Amino acid sequence: GEDVEQSLFLSVREGDSSVINCTYTDSSSTYLYWYKQEPGAGLQLLTYIFSNMDMKQDQRLTVLLNKKDKHLSLRIADTQTGDSAIYFCAESPMNSGYSTLTFGKGTMLLVSP
Amino acid sequence: DTEVTQTPKHLVMGMTNKKSLKCEQHMGHRAMYWYKQKAKKPPELMFVYSYEKLSINESVPSRFSPECPNSSLLNLHLHALQPEDSALYLCASSQVDRGSNQPQHFGDGTRLSIL
Repeated sequence: GEDVEQSLFLSVREGDSSVINCTYTDSSSTYLYWYKQEPGAGLQLLTYIFSNMDMKQDQRLTVLLNKKDKHLSLRIADTQTGDSAIYFCAESPMNSGYSTLTFGKGTMLLVSP
Repeated sequence: DTEVTQTPKHLVMGMTNKKSLKCEQHMGHRAMYWYKQKAKKPPELMFVYSYEKLSINESVPSRFSPECPNSSLLNLHLHALQPEDSALYLCASSQVDRGSNQPQHFGDGTRLSIL
């Protein structure tokens, strides 16, 4: 079955890099997503990667995928206080049509000045 | 700003009331989703519509009744809810593509409180 695990909490200082980790179990071809949720808001899609890729970079965000270990990480460079939020890792198996997401429990990122 | 719009943002209702949550998207997406999210938990899938037809119902109680009147709109009709149904209700939409998965885009949700 599908299972996504994340560490629950991360605290960093402003300007440092943040690394949020995630492991997944689905062995089929899959898409892996990072969503950000600020208090009182919905989920904002940050980035996503297909399981045949190793890395994806988008401005301050870098996603690394270790397919052998089924380990995904999200690195945020030059972390700002506005990055404080809950970050969800999610997995979606390759199928025909719409996507179904399996979420991790979320990592709360706290950025202090 | 989100391209998936949910109304109302907040809703307080009694257990005997009937109300509806609304979701609208104009991105041409043909899959739409309802999720329930309790505090400090990930979203839980409730329903999936694909091409305006119900594709997934995750054993949701019948007091929640979804409706997809057209490709841009998704409703969730509520009747005789229980206090444990208080949560953030999120709507999402995505393209439907048989060759790949398309990411889901979420609205900001409706915060529902049952008295």
